[in-house]
Amino acid sequence: DTEVTQTPKHLVMGMTNKKSLKCEQHMGHRAMYWYKQKAKKPPELMFVYSYEKLSINESVPSRFSPECPNSSLLNLHLHALQPEDSALYLCASSQGGATGNTIYFGEGSWLTVV
Amino acid sequence: RKEVEQDPGPFNVPEGATVAFNCTYSNSASQSFFWYRQDCRKEPKLLMSVYSSGNEDGRFTAQLNRASQYISLLIRDSKLSDSATYLCVVNTGANNLFFGTGTRLTVIP
Repeated sequence: DTEVTQTPKHLVMGMTNKKSLKCEQHMGHRAMYWYKQKAKKPPELMFVYSYEKLSINESVPSRFSPECPNSSLLNLHLHALQPEDSALYLCASSQGGATGNTIYFGEGSWLTVV
Repeated sequence: RKEVEQDPGPFNVPEGATVAFNCTYSNSASQSFFWYRQDCRKEPKLLMSVYSSGNEDGRFTAQLNRASQYISLLIRDSKLSDSATYLCVVNTGANNLFFGTGTRLTVIP
């Protein structure tokens, strides 16, 4: 069972809505990630937080806004999304810092934009 | 050129067969390597890390060739439950991980 917890598991939202995806881990990991995955494609990195600071932003549109309130929590705020943003959004965490750390994924949030 | 390249398959093999997947990476400074398994509509799960000396976990053997910049995964005595997509993952450092496209495996009864 994954120790990275994501909510909600499923979300349907309109293009004018504002919603948030939430992620929590209690493994003491200091790096947290958001990935987006479309059908039959590998996960694509969106954001990395390292020690609660945004360290990587892979040129993600501003309609996606990450937030790391503390070392255990990671949010992804969604606003004015497009239908092509419908995908599986995966949160992950790793020990962070040194290399060679394994990343652990949450079960994901299935997002549909209508 | 992609950071990580994998043959997407699909690989359809009978139960009991041995199957091998390869993956190449472009950054010679890459520091750690992993194989993940992803079932349909599920999250990726770590199958095994890949070490320079090669490593084995039951029916699974992973190899790393730094000189040629490729990673392999060998599955012996395939089971129906091995059917999944296998993702090669390379860490180039500073929490920067790159995924291959994944190789789809179907084990047939």
